[in-house]
Order: sequence, then C-alpha cells, then structure tokens
Amino acid sequence: DAGVTQSPTHLIKTRGQHVTLRCSPISGHKSVSWYQQVLGQGPQFIFQYYEKEERGRGNFPDRFSARQFPNYSSELNVNALLLGDSALYLCASSRWAEAFFGQGTRLTVV
Amino acid sequence: SQQGEEDPQALSIQEGENATMNCSYKTSINNLQWYRQNSGRGLVHLILIRSNEREKHSGRLRVTLDTSKKSSSLLITASRAADTASYFCALDADTGTASKLTFGTGTRLQVTL
Repeated sequence: DAGVTQSPTHLIKTRGQHVTLRCSPISGHKSVSWYQQVLGQGPQFIFQYYEKEERGRGNFPDRFSARQFPNYSSELNVNALLLGDSALYLCASSRWAEAFFGQGTRLTVV
Repeated sequence: SQQGEEDPQALSIQEGENATMNCSYKTSINNLQWYRQNSGRGLVHLILIRSNEREKHSGRLRVTLDTSKKSSSLLITASRAADTASYFCALDADTGTASKLTFGTGTRLQVTL
C-alpha cells in the first residue's frame, strides 16, 4: 500500500500570494491532520478532518483553511502569505491510534 | 502546556553505543508516540505506547512510560550511522485516535563511525 502522499514537495511563493497543498491519505484512513514545522522546532497542529468535517483546529490565523474530499484526500490553503509561513507542512493520516506522515511540502515565502 | 519536552536536545555517540532520549510532559495522555525525522523530511512512526503500558519493544528500540512521573524514554541499542536523525515524542491527550498530536522540540542524534 502507498503511504501518505503530499504534493508538491517544494514550493516558492511571494508574500501576499495564496498556496494550496495537497495530501492523499493511506487507503482506508478517513482522518487527515495537517501540521506546520518551522525549522528547528517540532510540528504544530493546524487542522484535523474526519469524514469531510473539521474536527479540530490549532492556534493558527484564519488565513489557514482546509477541506477534505469524498475520497478522503485533503487540501490545505493559506492566503496572504507571510515570510513567517515558510515551513515544512506535514500531512498525517490515521485509522486508529497511530498517525502516519507524508514527506511534507517545503514552502518558502520570499 | 501539553507540549512534550525532549532531553537532551542533542546527543552524539559512536556506532555500537546505546542512545537514550527522554520526554517529559505535564498533562494526562491517552498514548505517547515516538517518531524519527531525517534531514527535515517526513516523520517516520517508530512506536506507540498506551497510558496503561509501561514498556514496549520493537527491534532495537525500547520505550518506557511512567505516567506517575509523566515521562517516557526511548532507548536505541547498538546504534548505527543510519540512526542519525531527529527524534520526537508526540502526545495524544485528545481522543486517542491520533487526531491531534502535540510534539516536543526533539532530540538530534548524531551517530559517528
């Protein structure tokens, strides 16, 4: 079975632009969570979706939004990008108690 | 804060030696998971230990959990150069379904030949 896949792997955007990151969970996993990892720190929880509904939101501004599709894939959207949004964005899927992560999308805002 | 705190922040050992990393936290948890991250890439799930368990093994890995002290440790035995990575503990204090994990700042392990 394929693991969690994320696209794109790298992305460079300009301040003020919008970005969409994509995630496909492991087959059979209905829960998808998004995390932001700034260099030198641990991942920080952004969103969790289960069965297309938002089930949890971390301490992030409204510029961050997400959604989950009927096939359980997910998108993370960030509007009005700031330099501080530069980070590794990780997607995780889970079925029971263990979360499995994708390789991440490295976003650089210039 | 629920955030786990790993100790030490960095660890350098020689191949063949054992490496021990610790994680402390402040609130009740459903389970605790350990992850490895190579060079800022994705997180690799290593092991999960539930709040009612005290010790788990997986290959060269041994994890302990002391809920009375709110601490966990990860032991890597007979380390290899390929074990060089950052290691994170992740707390599941929410539903126990890995929906919202709280990570620490990690331990950077360097294994030299």
